[in-house]
Amino acid sequence: TQLLEQSPQFLSIQEGENLTVYCNSSSVFSSLQWYRQEPGEGPVLLVTVVTGGEVKKLKRLTFQFGDARKDSSLHITAAQPGDTGLYLCAALSGVTSGTYKYIFGTGTRLKVLA
Amino acid sequence: EPEVTQTPSHQVTQMGQEVILRCVPISNHLYFYWYRQILGQKVEFLVSFYNNEISEKSEIFDDQFSVERPDGSNFTLKIRSTKLEDSAMYFCASSVGLAGVYNEQFFGPGTRLTVL
Repeated sequence: TQLLEQSPQFLSIQEGENLTVYCNSSSVFSSLQWYRQEPGEGPVLLVTVVTGGEVKKLKRLTFQFGDARKDSSLHITAAQPGDTGLYLCAALSGVTSGTYKYIFGTGTRLKVLA
Repeated sequence: EPEVTQTPSHQVTQMGQEVILRCVPISNHLYFYWYRQILGQKVEFLVSFYNNEISEKSEIFDDQFSVERPDGSNFTLKIRSTKLEDSAMYFCASSVGLAGVYNEQFFGPGTRLTVL
């Protein structure tokens, strides 16, 4: 069974601080997605990373896919209260077997204090 | 901007009752999905649906669950005899092609199901 483990599970920081959250697996994925979910809403896609070692930037958010395509990180620079939410990594599993199931990580709940 | 909609936003039911959760995917999308998220836990894949049939389903999606696209717009999830452990947020999603590298899946706002 392919699993995505995220760390830390919870993070509470002050506005202006930097942070990094991680998504790790023992499996190789062809791509990995990062989502943000706010209370009472569905996940919203932030980015897809495809190539090992790839780095993508979205304003103050920097996403990196590990060289071996087993892990990824999300770094937020100068966090703002509006960044508060649940950050989820996700990937399509079963690609090699043809049983396509989308799996989500355990999530990192971020709270940015003003 | 087109969006996935879900109704109702909150459903309360008694254990053993049947519930139908409704979703209207984005109109030109061909792949449809249901996920659930038990409070405090991760989002779990239930089922994917394409060309009027189930493409994949998870171990969670047992005989108590069924999906249907009764017309050209709605996509429904039916739970025949609800159990307490079915209490969760249920998310519908849709995508143009199979969700992954080239196809983003768009999620609805969810239906909170509470089984008493």
